[in-house]
Amino acid sequence: DADVTQTPRNRITKTGKRIMLECSQTKGHDRMYWYRQDPGLGLRLIYYSFDVKDINKGEISDGYSVSRQAQAKFSLSLESAIPNQTALYFCATSDVGQGQETQYFGPGTRLLVL
Amino acid sequence: GENVEQHPSTLSVQEGDSAVIKCTYSDSASNYFPWYKQELGKRPQLIIDIRSNVGEKKDQRIAVTLNKTAKHFSLHITETQPEDSAVYFCAASIIGNQFYFGTGTSLTVIP
Repeated sequence: DADVTQTPRNRITKTGKRIMLECSQTKGHDRMYWYRQDPGLGLRLIYYSFDVKDINKGEISDGYSVSRQAQAKFSLSLESAIPNQTALYFCATSDVGQGQETQYFGPGTRLLVL
Repeated sequence: GENVEQHPSTLSVQEGDSAVIKCTYSDSASNYFPWYKQELGKRPQLIIDIRSNVGEKKDQRIAVTLNKTAKHFSLHITETQPEDSAVYFCAASIIGNQFYFGTGTSLTVIP
């Protein structure tokens, strides 16, 4: 879905470095999410935001922070990267209506922490 | 919070056979249950969903069933085709709140 984009798509960094993953969307959705995907663990929620002034921790927020710069932009930061943060990271947006909510995922950012 | 368990973690079927993936949830307040398909190297995409006031929903070869009493829901794929090979994720939520995803099922359809 070209409406949700993530940069970078791949990143290699070293332990202790600060990095930022960026997500942009043109869908006009208020809700945005950051997930990480690990083999055998599925999609785990890191942070989510229901509007520009709303930020909520997910189940695995330790070691991460986020910034919602605008309705269209939601960034994820790793203040001091560690090897067990090596994972595939997905941003998603969603729209709720008529008893249904579809989450639209970005293409993912593959992060390797050495 | 909600806990979603998904089984099996891997599933292989012959082309043309049916595949069934099962999920259980813990929070009886959950009322929305979507299923996402993730093809290799791609992003997850919604394929079907069901609300708690419905017991079954079909869309061509895929169907989802929900048993609220037992707190479980299942994805059924009939007449499987090679293009059905993917990882499938179930999720549960209280509509308007965060999703809780299962750990995924890797489905392989053998031609």
